[in-house]
Amino acid sequence: QQQVKQSPQSLIVQKGGISIINCAYENTAFDYFPWYQQFPGKGPALLIAIRPDVSEKKEGRFTISFNKSAKQFSLHIMDSQPGDSATYFCAAVISGGYQKVTFGTGTKLQVIP
Amino acid sequence: NAGVTQTPKFRVLKTGQSMTLLCAQDMNHEYMYWYRQDPGMGLRLIHYSVGEGTTAKGEVPDGYNVSRLKKQNFLLGLESAAPSQTSVYFCASVEQGARQYFGPGTRLTVT
Repeated sequence: QQQVKQSPQSLIVQKGGISIINCAYENTAFDYFPWYQQFPGKGPALLIAIRPDVSEKKEGRFTISFNKSAKQFSLHIMDSQPGDSATYFCAAVISGGYQKVTFGTGTKLQVIP
Repeated sequence: NAGVTQTPKFRVLKTGQSMTLLCAQDMNHEYMYWYRQDPGMGLRLIHYSVGEGTTAKGEVPDGYNVSRLKKQNFLLGLESAAPSQTSVYFCASVEQGARQYFGPGTRLTVT
């Protein structure tokens, strides 16, 4: 019930292409869905997040698409750049009080020139 | 404003040794978390705290203890290190509304 399934495990994209990472969840109590970006040797950092009352959120080249009925959400990186090469984690949160966070297992993205 | 800091950055322990990892935050957050990160397993919650003087178990608490004597500090202790505790440890400080701020991590190797 608490799992968040993330795919693919790794992804290679050409510079300028679109990177797509998918996540699926089961627990309908989740009410906040962040994506974190992690560079080698660094801690994860919040990239973009969405709440389930909207179907899409865009910040620059990064877009979250959210499908509440399918219990799926995805990260799209438009015009992917070599500087986007990192590991991306989706997460699902039950807010309020202790904020239980369940992370996906991560996707290692490599953007090649 | 340093955000979240962790010390040490690296450590090598022998089996059975003990150590304490320190996490400090300057954002006045109530909630602080300790995670471990292992290849292919994402981030797993070890222990967490919802305020000064409080601690609670997370998903993988065995072999670890924690203390939150001051609001800005959250300590993670290993009483008797085991090779299975070789990992990268991250501390996170949590803002109201669920945003987590992570520290830079501690890479621990237990031989």
